[in-house]
Amino acid sequence: GAVVSQHPSRVICKSGTSVKIECRSLDFQATTMFWYRQFPKQSLMLMATSNEGSKATYEQGVEKDKFLINHASLTLSTLTVTSAHPEDSSFYICSAPRQGNTIYFGEGSWLTVV
Amino acid sequence: DQQVKQNSPSLSVQEGRISILNCDYTNSMFDYFLWYKKYPAEGPTFLISISSIKDKNEDGRFTVFLNKSAKHLSLHIVPSQPGDSAVYFCAAFIQGAQKLVFGQGTRLTINP
Repeated sequence: GAVVSQHPSRVICKSGTSVKIECRSLDFQATTMFWYRQFPKQSLMLMATSNEGSKATYEQGVEKDKFLINHASLTLSTLTVTSAHPEDSSFYICSAPRQGNTIYFGEGSWLTVV
Repeated sequence: DQQVKQNSPSLSVQEGRISILNCDYTNSMFDYFLWYKKYPAEGPTFLISISSIKDKNEDGRFTVFLNKSAKHLSLHIVPSQPGDSAVYFCAAFIQGAQKLVFGQGTRLTINP
């Protein structure tokens, strides 16, 4: 069964609006979660590390004001794409480490901005 | 700088034969390696991992080999099944940091 769950799996939004994607760890606590983005036919690109109780750490080139990350509890991290534009359309995936060295991924969320 | 490389973008294997997926890395600080399988529009599924202190880990049809001196790891799938057709990513991280660095992926196609 799923270890990490993402919601929604697909979302379509209008340009200029904001969209929130949730990532939940099931049956375990995750003080750290990771957010990735995947462009078609490319590898996963790490966007940011979400830390429970503190600010997220963003990778170089990722706009922190554009991609707001909140790690509200030990089982929930959210990614909000603010003022979305068509170029933000992508596949967003979260992950969380469980029992230290095994990192599990969510199902992914397809964002389409029209 | 690509720290984890999968130099074969695609691989075709006959059903029942062995599939060997390769991965090279450059950062000697990596101490944990993982393999993931990914279908389009889905999140990666964890397959198998190996610590840098080991040279082999086996789980059912999947075996991962690590050659630290060569900075090379490989995933063996035997026997290969049609359901194994997917994109396979190798990934590495440094203990404590847990930030995965991914290879580019290899598309495996199992032919009946």
